[in-house]
Amino acid sequence: SQTIHQWPATLVQPVGSPLSLECTVEGTSNPNLYWYRQAAGRGLQLLFYSVGIGQISSEVPQNLSASRPQDRQFILSSKKLLLSDSGFYLCAWSVGLEAGEQFFGPGTRLTVL
Amino acid sequence: RKEVEQDPGPFNVPEGATVAFNCTYSNSASQSFFWYRQDCRKEPKLLMSVYSSGNEDGRFTAQLNRASQYISLLIRDSKLSDSATYLCVVNGRNTPLVFGKGTRLSVIA
Repeated sequence: SQTIHQWPATLVQPVGSPLSLECTVEGTSNPNLYWYRQAAGRGLQLLFYSVGIGQISSEVPQNLSASRPQDRQFILSSKKLLLSDSGFYLCAWSVGLEAGEQFFGPGTRLTVL
Repeated sequence: RKEVEQDPGPFNVPEGATVAFNCTYSNSASQSFFWYRQDCRKEPKLLMSVYSSGNEDGRFTAQLNRASQYISLLIRDSKLSDSATYLCVVNGRNTPLVFGKGTRLSVIA
């Protein structure tokens, strides 16, 4: 069966510090991968998605970046965090872009102070 | 106009009540429609797909009106465990899913 892992579960970082969140998927090949952010009391905001290794589509311009160095690994990074980067970061995978079901990881709760 | 719009709620209902959530979408080319459920501080999970003919899964019924670009979710005989945020989700051709902001439901004993 397929599983998706994210770590860490919670993170507290100072403003201006770097960020690296990792997501890995097991049990499937060539998944579509996604990074979302959910700010407190707000909806899911799609940040990046990837249909293959090295292929990244950015949905919202900001100080975040994403990379996909391996088929089942998706990394979200920032060189300098802002207060507004606080939120609940969710990684997800699906079989195809139009696939009805996206499977979400447990998320990382990031607080920037 | 936002791509997917939902009433944010909260909907506070007693156990056993019937509650309905509505959702509108702006992209007339949208092909697929879903309801997801998100528990507090947890990840979203697929609740059910929404088909043109309407579909039912136990106490849950989903309806789609393509002409009005409107989706609904009906929950009958509400349980305490139904308390969650319900997300309306649509997609189009070759585009990722678009999530609504969700409607929060609290079922009260």
